[in-house]
Amino acid sequence: DMKVTQMPRYLIKRMGENVLLECGQDMSHETMYWYRQDPGLGLQLIYISYDVDSNSEGDIPKGYRVSRKKREHFSLILDSAKTNQTSVYFCASSSDRERYAEQFFGPGTRLTVL
Amino acid sequence: GQQVQQSPASLVLQEGENAELQCNFSSTATQLQWFYQSPGGSLVSLLSNPSGTKHTGRLTSTTVTKERRSSLHISSSQTTDSGTYLCAIDLYQGGRALIFGTGTTVSVSP
Repeated sequence: DMKVTQMPRYLIKRMGENVLLECGQDMSHETMYWYRQDPGLGLQLIYISYDVDSNSEGDIPKGYRVSRKKREHFSLILDSAKTNQTSVYFCASSSDRERYAEQFFGPGTRLTVL
Repeated sequence: GQQVQQSPASLVLQEGENAELQCNFSSTATQLQWFYQSPGGSLVSLLSNPSGTKHTGRLTSTTVTKERRSSLHISSSQTTDSGTYLCAIDLYQGGRALIFGTGTTVSVSP
């Protein structure tokens, strides 16, 4: 069953706390992504990972870092969360072997920073 | 400017009516995907259609790559089609990151 999972689904944190969002996929996809979605702005790319320990900044990386130590797992870390990082975070994955590869998305994590 | 523009921003339908959603993009795309986002927020890929015409169920997507546009046709709408439809393109940057439009919100009433 091709699936992208995200944990947790909902999270409330206080400003200044650290946040860890986890993503997993069971399709052996090389490429994984973190997006955030805000009203009126659509989804924006935070980070992209091409494989283990091969990560690149997306359009809005400031305030975030990522970790990919296994192909099937991709973590998003917020060190000292800020209120403007309240958002819905989506993880996605895709295969590099197909010319027109689809991206598969997880169910999202709704993060509130108070 | 915005690289992916969708129209209309919102659409109200009576059950059974057809709808056509438009997506225009400003750069050459190597991939185009249509997504459905439920009122609860989950994101589901509907169609991957970089060029030509593709069908799935009551959905038909037509992409004319050289004119940088794509459409999504919903036939015989149902109340369960209510939600937001997002168009996304892949400006191949070595990683196939998607650029999303802000979506068309569809509301289908019985």
